[in-house]
Amino acid sequence: ETGVTQTPRHLVMGMTNKKSLKCEQHLGHNAMYWYKQSAKKPLELMFVYSLEERVENNSVPSRFSPECPNSSHLFLHLHTLQPEDSALYLCASSQVVGNQPQHFGDGTRLSIL
Amino acid sequence: DAKTTQPTSMDCAEGRAANLPCNHSTISGNEYVYWYRQIHSQGPQYIIHGLKNNETNEMASLIITEDRKSSTLILPHATLRDTAVYYCIVRVAFGNAGNMLTFGGGTRLMVKP
Repeated sequence: ETGVTQTPRHLVMGMTNKKSLKCEQHLGHNAMYWYKQSAKKPLELMFVYSLEERVENNSVPSRFSPECPNSSHLFLHLHTLQPEDSALYLCASSQVVGNQPQHFGDGTRLSIL
Repeated sequence: DAKTTQPTSMDCAEGRAANLPCNHSTISGNEYVYWYRQIHSQGPQYIIHGLKNNETNEMASLIITEDRKSSTLILPHATLRDTAVYYCIVRVAFGNAGNMLTFGGGTRLMVKP
């Protein structure tokens, strides 16, 4: 138990569907992150929220839309995805400042048909 | 952030110490060294981090050379459950933009009976 919970664990969707991934942290952190891990590739940082404001967007396509309603919750809204978007999507949280590490959830395995 | 270099893969006998090296020759004075591991189908798990002194916790020891250009993660008594990909990351831990991590390919450690 890492203190970061992601739902659902697995998701299969068609290219025209709209779905959302959810992340919740119980660690009292104030920064949250979305990462993408494609097969045989390193983790790629997608979005960073610090104190509920987006501070980093690594040129992610607009078909991915993040939302951070409060410091404990993070969403990734998905629409009109492509087959190459099939991957493991990981959420993490940390304190904004200091040297304490990020803590990760176990991810959502997304498959696009 | 400083780039890290790790061997692609390593083997270790069960019960023996696993020593995982990492080169970070361009590390800056205020950059920390973090180690994570990822077991198949799970999110990355934080192991340990340090700045310049050696560190030890219940999972592992981190040995950082005096010039800080390399480090070694030591799992003192490897078990089959330590089979995973191990990531060495260097990161500045100050600022108000969160604690962003850049993952490389890591070292695939295989612990064998």
